[in-house]
Amino acid sequence: DIVMTQSPDSLAVSLGERATINCKSSQSVLYSSNNNNYLAWYQQKPGQPPKLLIYWASTRESGVPDRFSGSGSATDFTLTISSLQAEDVAVYYCHQYYSSPRTFGQGTKVEIK
Amino acid sequence: QVQLVQSGAEVKKPGASVKVSCKASGYNFSKYVMYWVRQAPGQSLEWMGWINAGNGDTRYSQKFQGRVTITRDTSANTAYMELSSLRSEDTAVYYCARETSGWAHLDYWGQGTLVTVSS
Repeated sequence: DIVMTQSPDSLAVSLGERATINCKSSQSVLYSSNNNNYLAWYQQKPGQPPKLLIYWASTRESGVPDRFSGSGSATDFTLTISSLQAEDVAVYYCHQYYSSPRTFGQGTKVEIK
Repeated sequence: QVQLVQSGAEVKKPGASVKVSCKASGYNFSKYVMYWVRQAPGQSLEWMGWINAGNGDTRYSQKFQGRVTITRDTSANTAYMELSSLRSEDTAVYYCARETSGWAHLDYWGQGTLVTVSS
């Protein structure tokens, strides 16, 4: 199984400041034949289902604000919120869909400092 | 618009089974794969399995093999997840989620169904 490890487990950021979440996979999720990274990021607010933010590691889902961006390749990935807003308080998960079983990171809780 | 609407909360005793439904609308149900993912209280997300709604093929996480059965009814645009031999550790919110296309991310999620296992 591919283990997804996020860091940090939680972070507190001032409004308008940058938040950076890292995700490391135990093996590469880059498929060489199409050069796609099989990695997505989700946002989950309390009492709600996860919401897709980023897929193929760096493609923003339609309707997601452009302050959210994804980067990285193979085993190391980053989700960046360029200017934190109050509505971004949530838990963020990375998810690999390269192989079965599909696996998720343990989550990173983002709060306002 | 795409919607996945799940059945309501359940309370079950240890050893019992539970069947959760997920009714899809707003897209061609048979063209997509439906996943089931669960989330125990305060925990991360855990993939349980998926079903190809078109041909009925299924794949299950080894962790749940033998206890989980995922089915679908194309006439009702509904997917089902049944978990048997319930134990307290199965207390969780269970989600269905649509895979956007072949071997890809999950773009739409149901609202979740809380299953509580308690004697």
